[in-house]
Amino acid sequence: DSGVTQTPKHLITATGQRVTLRCSPRSGDLSVYWYQQSLDQGLQFLIQYYNGEERAKGNILERFSAQQFPDLHSELNLSSLELGDSALYFCASSSRTGLGGNTIYFGEGSWLTVV
Amino acid sequence: GENVEQHPSTLSVQEGDSAVIKCTYSDSASNYFPWYKQELGKRPQLIIDIRSNVGEKKDQRIAVTLNKTAKHFSLHITETQPEDSAVYFCAASSINTPLVFGKGTRLSVIA
Repeated sequence: DSGVTQTPKHLITATGQRVTLRCSPRSGDLSVYWYQQSLDQGLQFLIQYYNGEERAKGNILERFSAQQFPDLHSELNLSSLELGDSALYFCASSSRTGLGGNTIYFGEGSWLTVV
Repeated sequence: GENVEQHPSTLSVQEGDSAVIKCTYSDSASNYFPWYKQELGKRPQLIIDIRSNVGEKKDQRIAVTLNKTAKHFSLHITETQPEDSAVYFCAASSINTPLVFGKGTRLSVIA
């Protein structure tokens, strides 16, 4: 158990809908990262938050947004869902200052299926 | 930005043989290079990492080497076992950038 908690574990929704994925980082970790993993694909970095502030942005679609709350949990919002958004979404956290060069620990992921 | 290339994409070895996975990176400022193992349907788990001030690191059957000049690093698994079968990801980051992952290597250890 990495200490990173993600909910829901599985989610099936229809095209055009909106979903919210939730992540609680390890106790004491200030940084939260979101990654997307499609079938047979690597881990695509979406976005990073550090202590409530956006720190880095990767290949995140405009239909997607995220935030980190004062209690440090984070939510990833996916809207106007398309079939191609079906993927495993991972949250990860790290304990350092939010800069790179840090070990990150992954949650179990949220499986999203868009039908 | 950083780009990480990983080879091979699939690798099959006989139990007891060694496995080597290679990665190259593009950003000379990268200074942290972890390796993650991901079993089917599970989360990626850190198995070993190396920082740019070190050329080699070992942990039992696993070792990682880093060549900063050539901007490549490698994972070596010796005496492979069936439970080593998984997808392995290399990654790189610098002080100002988050981890960028390679596309993964699917390792199959044949008993």
